[in-house]
Amino acid sequence: KQEVTQIPAALSVPEGENLVLNCSFTDSAIYNLQWFRQDPGKGLTSLLLIQSSQREQTSGRLNASLDKSSGRSTLYIAASQPGDSATYLCAYETGAQKLVFGQGTRLTINP
Amino acid sequence: NAGVMQNPRHLVRRRGQEARLRCSPMKGHSHVYWYRQLPEEGLKFMVYLQKENIIDESGMPKERFSAEFPKEGPSILRIQQVVRGDSAAYFCASSLGQGNEKLFFGSGTQLSVL
Repeated sequence: KQEVTQIPAALSVPEGENLVLNCSFTDSAIYNLQWFRQDPGKGLTSLLLIQSSQREQTSGRLNASLDKSSGRSTLYIAASQPGDSATYLCAYETGAQKLVFGQGTRLTINP
Repeated sequence: NAGVMQNPRHLVRRRGQEARLRCSPMKGHSHVYWYRQLPEEGLKFMVYLQKENIIDESGMPKERFSAEFPKEGPSILRIQQVVRGDSAAYFCASSLGQGNEKLFFGSGTQLSVL
């Protein structure tokens, strides 16, 4: 069964802190893994895409890592800001053009 | 370059009516995907289409649901004889190619069935 688990389900931290969101998946045959951001009432925004042959990707204050052997990915957010408050979704692509999503981590950054 | 456009943003239907959800992919994208997000659940794949072809509909319910992506015009997700359990956010995504491509998502259509 294809499953993605994201821990924690919700996280609240003060502004300026560095934080890590976790994602674990059961399928070892993944093509890539993506991290998305979902704001209330809006669609998903792709943040980072890590190919199966890569170990990590960085964009600004965001860094995502991928360990296929252990079925884990992490999203590291440095120097968090209130504008980072959103739900963060992890998803991997199977060979069939499908993304398998986790349920997300709801992040709140307190000013 | 406009992003993925979905309309309507909100759709209210009574049980037994039909719901038609539209999706215009990003300019130049010929691959379209539909996902459904039920309350308190993650997004679930429904169907993958290219122009005039259904590539993978393994996530579509067997009855009442259909999707198309004609040569001209938007992709349409149609739900016939809606039931309360169809209430969800329906997201469309598009990509330039297939495999290892970033998906760009629309803002979704929130379907409410009374």
